[in-house]
Amino acid sequence: DTAVSQTPKYLVTQMGNDKSIKCEQNLGHDTMYWYKQDSKKFLKIMFSYNNKELIINETVPNRFSPKSPDKAHLNLHINSLELGDSAVYFCASRRRGGNTDTQYFGPGTRLTVL
Amino acid sequence: AQSVTQLGSHVSVSEGALVLLRCNYSSSVPPYLFWYVQYPNQGLQLLLKYTSAATLVKGINGFEAEFKKSETSFHLTKPSAHMSDAAEYFCAVSVGQGAQKLVFGQGTRLTINP
Repeated sequence: DTAVSQTPKYLVTQMGNDKSIKCEQNLGHDTMYWYKQDSKKFLKIMFSYNNKELIINETVPNRFSPKSPDKAHLNLHINSLELGDSAVYFCASRRRGGNTDTQYFGPGTRLTVL
Repeated sequence: AQSVTQLGSHVSVSEGALVLLRCNYSSSVPPYLFWYVQYPNQGLQLLLKYTSAATLVKGINGFEAEFKKSETSFHLTKPSAHMSDAAEYFCAVSVGQGAQKLVFGQGTRLTINP
C-alpha cells in the first residue's frame, strides 16, 4: 500500500564512508525527486529524474550521485561522507504533467555522519 | 526567482482556537502554491494546493487557504485547532515548466496548548 517508500529509515555511519539510500514508488509516476532537509527543517531539492533521465541537478557536491534503474526507482549514492551531510533525505514522485501536479513524499531517511 | 516566505517559525495556539499560518510568495508569473504538513518523524503530506481554479482552497483536516494576489499571500487557516494538528507546516511554490520543482518556505512549527 505504501506509495513512496525509502530504505533505510535511519542510517548512521562514519565520516569517509560510502552509503546508498533507495527509493521506490508504486504510483506509476514518471518523475522522481530527492530533497534534503537540514537540521533547521529547511527543505531543498537536490535532483529530479523523469523516465530515468536526469532533468534537475541543483548545486550539489558531485559526491552525491543519483541513479534511476527504472522509472519506479531512484537511488541516491553518497561517496566520502562528511559531517555536513547529516540530514533527512526525502524522496518524492509525481506524474509528469503541469506544475499543479502534487508531489508525494516518502517517509524520509535520517542520515547521521559521525 | 519564485520564492515563498513563511512569517513566524513557531506559532502556538490553544485547543479550539483559530489557527493562522502565514505565507507570502514572490513570483513574476501566476504561482502554483502548496501547503504541506510534516508530523514528527514522518514525510510530508499535502494539505491543499492552489491551481488558479478558485482563490479559496479547502484541504484535508479542516484546513483552508485563500490566495490573495493583491497581498501576494496564501495563508493557511483552521477555525478550531485540535491537539492532533501539532506539526511542522510548509508553504511551497511550484517552479519550472515541465521539470517542476518545489521551492519551500522555512516552515512553521504549530504547537497546540491544552
